[in-house]
Amino acid sequence: NAGVTQTPKFRVLKTGQSMTLLCAQDMNHEYMYWYRQDPGMGLRLIHYSVGEGTTAKGEVPDGYNVSRLKKQNFLLGLESAAPSQTSVYFCASSSRGGQGYNEQFFGPGTRLTVL
Amino acid sequence: QQQVKQSPQSLIVQKGGISIINCAYENTAFDYFPWYQQFPGKGPALLIAIRPDVSEKKEGRFTISFNKSAKQFSLHIMDSQPGDSATYFCAASMKGTASKLTFGTGTRLQVTL
Repeated sequence: NAGVTQTPKFRVLKTGQSMTLLCAQDMNHEYMYWYRQDPGMGLRLIHYSVGEGTTAKGEVPDGYNVSRLKKQNFLLGLESAAPSQTSVYFCASSSRGGQGYNEQFFGPGTRLTVL
Repeated sequence: QQQVKQSPQSLIVQKGGISIINCAYENTAFDYFPWYQQFPGKGPALLIAIRPDVSEKKEGRFTISFNKSAKQFSLHIMDSQPGDSATYFCAASMKGTASKLTFGTGTRLQVTL
């Protein structure tokens, strides 16, 4: 099992360019999440999904869009990148069920720089 | 609005010493409190977690202490080792919210020889 994988690992964009980050998980998890990690700010939830075809906004959704067309994939899009979106982006997934306290499994991250 | 406050921002401990990281939360609806460990260049990974029906949980050298009335919880690392050097995040979640986590700002722990 590969767990949670993210593509690409690194990317440099110019202001105004667009790009898509891909997250894939092979654990058959229902829930998937996108976070950004910035120094001194911890991890902040951008968007999340509770199942195929569904998405919802997190704490910092502005400037990002997401899609979950397949259960195993969760895409994060930046339509017009801004320097404020320079960050490390993490994808995570978790199962549904139990008592609602399910471990989140994180990918290795994507380091994005917007010039 | 920072719903989970974490301190200190960084911590240096000698090998064999005790590392203590503290977190405080505001939302009394939180009912699940995990700690995640992150090594440089890697994603966070669950270390240990607690629910508020107990005041302490221990797994090996790692212990969570929980004070519901004070809305505080802490991570204690006993006999700290250089391999424990990492960034630690506390987090909080509540039932029925798709396991969404609200993270603290992180503590960078360095264990020296």
